[in-house]
Amino acid sequence: ILNVEQSPQSLHVQEGDSTNFTCSFPSSNFYALHWYRWETAKSPEALFVMTLNGDEKKKGRISATLNTKEGYSYLYIKGSQPEDSATYLCASPASNDYKLSFGAGTTVTVRA
Amino acid sequence: ETGVTQTPRHLVMGMTNKKSLKCEQHLGHNAMYWYKQSAKKPLELMFVYNFKEQTENNSVPSRFSPECPNSSHLFLHLHTLQPEDSALYLCASSQEAGQGSYEQYFGPGTRLTVT
Repeated sequence: ILNVEQSPQSLHVQEGDSTNFTCSFPSSNFYALHWYRWETAKSPEALFVMTLNGDEKKKGRISATLNTKEGYSYLYIKGSQPEDSATYLCASPASNDYKLSFGAGTTVTVRA
Repeated sequence: ETGVTQTPRHLVMGMTNKKSLKCEQHLGHNAMYWYKQSAKKPLELMFVYNFKEQTENNSVPSRFSPECPNSSHLFLHLHTLQPEDSALYLCASSQEAGQGSYEQYFGPGTRLTVT
C-alpha cells in the first residue's frame, strides 16, 4: 500500500475562476497515476490514467500534469462551473500492481 | 443497463442479521473489486476477483464473505457485523486485474448502517 496524499482537503471556488490541487505519491517504482471525479450520490468516474513523466491530459476544462521524478500530479479546472463541484480522488498502484492506493480526496465546491 | 450497478443503495441491519450486497457490471470486464469507505478515510480495497478467482483479501474480517459466481456478478455476504462496519461499500470493475494502468469503473455504492 502506497502513501498517497492530496491537498488541500477542500476548497471553495467562485464560478468562472480557475483552480488547481495536488496529489503526492512515492516517486520510486512509479507505474501509474489515476484521477477520479466523485459527485455526491453518484459513482466515482475515471478522469485520467497517466503513466509517463511530463504527461499532460485534458478533458474539457479539466487537465492534469504528472511529475514522476518528484512524485506529484496537479489537477486543473479552468473556468469552474457549479457542475464541477465534486470530490476529486487520485490513486496509484505499487509498481505494476492492480491494487490502487487512494488519497483522501480534494472536495471542490463551486459557488455561483 | 450500462456500467456498474449495486443493490441495495441503502441498508440498515442489526448485528445479528445476515444480508448480502450485490454488484453487477455490464462492461464485459474480467476483474471486480470491493472497496470500503469509512467516514473521513480514503477508499480501502477489500477483495479482488480476476476471471472469477479471488486474488486479494486485504486482511478483511471473516464476517465479510465475498462471492463471484461469474465475471459479471459480485456479492458481499455480511453476518454478525459490528457498528464500526458502518460505511459506504463500493464495487468496481476493470478490464482485468494485473495492470495498474487499467481504469476502474465504480458503482454508486451501498450505504450500510449497522445498529
